[in-house]
Amino acid sequence: QVHLVQSGAEVKKPGSSVKVSCKASEDTFSTYAFSWVRQAPGQGPEWMGGIIPALGRTNFAQKFRGRVALTTDESMTTAYMELISLTSEDTAVYYCAQGAYDSRGYYYGILDYWGQGTLVTVSS
Amino acid sequence: SSELTQDPTVSVALGQRVRITCQGDSLRTYYASWYQQKPGQAPVLVIYGRNSRPSGIPDRFSASTSGITASLTITGARVEDEADYYCATRDSSVNRLIFGTGTTVTVL
Repeated sequence: QVHLVQSGAEVKKPGSSVKVSCKASEDTFSTYAFSWVRQAPGQGPEWMGGIIPALGRTNFAQKFRGRVALTTDESMTTAYMELISLTSEDTAVYYCAQGAYDSRGYYYGILDYWGQGTLVTVSS
Repeated sequence: SSELTQDPTVSVALGQRVRITCQGDSLRTYYASWYQQKPGQAPVLVIYGRNSRPSGIPDRFSASTSGITASLTITGARVEDEADYYCATRDSSVNRLIFGTGTTVTVL
C-alpha cells in the first residue's frame, strides 16, 4: 500500500526555485501532518519543516525559514514544498513524510510514511 | 543542545546482537523513533515510542531509553539488516523534528 507519491526529479539553475509535490491517499491526508525532509549526497536526513492540513499551520527549521513555502491542496490530497533562491548546496533528495501530531499542533517526532523521494539537482 | 549524536559505524557478526545508540538532551523528554535506510531508498520507520514496531517490522528490532541515550538493538542480525540507521525525535524547545547523525551497520 503506497501512501505518498512524489513528483519527478528536477534540474534547476542557481537562483531559481523548485516546487515538489507529494500526493497522499485520501484516508491519511487530513489525519497526519506532512513533514519535508531533505538528504544531501552522503549526508543524513534534515527536517526542513512541516504543515498540518487540519490546522492550517506550518513550522520551519530555522535554517529554511523565509526560503521554503509549504502548502496543501485538499481537493487533490497533495502537499507541496517550494524552495527558492537555490544554490548548489540545495542539491539533495527531498522527501515528504507523514506523522501524527498532538492537540497543540506539535509533531510527535515519528514519521510513519515516506514518499519515494525527489532528486533536485542545482547546477549551472 | 538539541542535536542527536550517533556512532558513525558499527559492525556485527551474522546472527549476533548489535546495539546502536543515540544521545541528545531532547531524549530526556521524548522517545526516539528509529529509521532504517538502504542505499537509494527512502527511510523506513522501524521503532517508535517506548518500544513499538510498525506492522511488518521483525521483532528482532527493539528499543530502550536511559536518560539522554536511546538505543536500538538488533538481535540475531541478518544480512538484510545492513543499512544506515537514524534516530529522530521532537525538539524539547521548539516545534520541530531533529535527526541523529546516523550509524552505518555492517553485517560480517
